[in-house]
Amino acid sequence: DQQVKQNSPSLSVQEGRISILNCDYTNSMFDYFLWYKKYPAEGPTFLISISSIKDKNEDGRFTVFLNKSAKHLSLHIVPSQPGDSAVYFCAASVIGGSNYQLIWGAGTKLIIKP
Amino acid sequence: ETGVTQSPTHLIKTRGQQVTLRCSSQSGHNTVSWYQQALGQGPQFIFQYYREEENGRGNFPPRFSGLQFPNYSSELNVNALELDDSALYLCASSPGDRVDPGELFFGEGSRLTVL
Repeated sequence: DQQVKQNSPSLSVQEGRISILNCDYTNSMFDYFLWYKKYPAEGPTFLISISSIKDKNEDGRFTVFLNKSAKHLSLHIVPSQPGDSAVYFCAASVIGGSNYQLIWGAGTKLIIKP
Repeated sequence: ETGVTQSPTHLIKTRGQQVTLRCSSQSGHNTVSWYQQALGQGPQFIFQYYREEENGRGNFPPRFSGLQFPNYSSELNVNALELDDSALYLCASSPGDRVDPGELFFGEGSRLTVL
């Protein structure tokens, strides 16, 4: 049972335009969400996060939106740059449990076209 | 530079064998977790260690075991390898505590192929 779903395996966007990556979750207990970025032959690197008490968090070109009623979050990248080409993972967790376990989506491969 | 290193980067084993994967965390990172990433999927939580004690396990059988050492290194051991164990194994460390470790810093992973 996939608790975190990224339904688009890949996304192609023109350089300079906005990239929107989507993520849906089923577990209403999740209260912290993160986006990680992964280049080939490297481990994932943290990009941006959002707590369930917020509906938006911005960091430079990256903004994450959370819609709790729809159990949906999205990552906006604007403007998109060639270096943004990577696989993006959405992950979720429950803070305050006995340990810190991230539940991950399958990832979306973002391709930025020049 | 995350400061988390894993070894080996690639290895091939045959079914039934045992494997040990190693991870070296940054100094001061008391929490380490291990993830399995099969091809085309997201990472799956195997277990977490905090100050050398396992304090959480995902849906993996007991033949997956681990150790964390005082020098911020850790190991993942897998016994009786099966073909489905072929995957990328990721180690992640964090300076925080067991329930709120903060940002996870990942190594580049160890790619295991079981034939």
